[in-house]
Amino acid sequence: AQKITQTQPGMFVQEKEAVTLDCTYDTSDQSYGLFWYKQPSSGEMIFLIYQGSYDEQNATEGRYSLNFQKARKSANLVISASQLGDSAMYFCAMRLYSGGGADGLTFGKGTHLIIQP
Amino acid sequence: DTEVTQTPKHLVMGMTNKKSLKCEQHMGHRAMYWYKQKAKKPPELMFVYSYEKLSINESVPSRFSPECPNSSLLNLHLHALQPEDSALYLCASREDPTDPNQPQHFGDGTRLSIL
Repeated sequence: AQKITQTQPGMFVQEKEAVTLDCTYDTSDQSYGLFWYKQPSSGEMIFLIYQGSYDEQNATEGRYSLNFQKARKSANLVISASQLGDSAMYFCAMRLYSGGGADGLTFGKGTHLIIQP
Repeated sequence: DTEVTQTPKHLVMGMTNKKSLKCEQHMGHRAMYWYKQKAKKPPELMFVYSYEKLSINESVPSRFSPECPNSSLLNLHLHALQPEDSALYLCASREDPTDPNQPQHFGDGTRLSIL
């Protein structure tokens, strides 16, 4: 099975600053994808951004971007100009198993981001 | 508001009760998922349905019984649960069961407490 590692249990960031959330992964697949999700205290998992292993450019989605370093097996999420509403748990994820077919996701332990005014 | 609707939002039940969690989506997604999330932990996969057929069971105890009656609806039947089953239960869906590059869309979850 694949494995995701997030080494930052919690982060405090000043409002309007940029923040980088770390994610490393382990897989033997040649083709794979990384997902980032945001989970506010309400519980819903909100999809933020996706990076495919063969994508030539780093993914961007509004204030979210991915710093994808394939050789290092890292896919760090960058949030620019942080806002108070960005305070939440952030999970990095990838498919649980190699191969085809419907598959679930395996998640890292998450990073609890708190934006301070 | 999410496009994946889970009911109820909160559920308290005794260990001898039988209850069901419901998940509904009308996006035409053909893969549906149940995850269990304990407090301060990441979600863990329980079941995967692909084209209304159970394709993955992550060795979940038989007191949890999933059901997918049609392409829009996913149920999780609960019976004789234990206190350690108290958790947030998340439902998710994905458009194409065969495309792992597509994101899963999650509901708000059901917060389950076992007395």
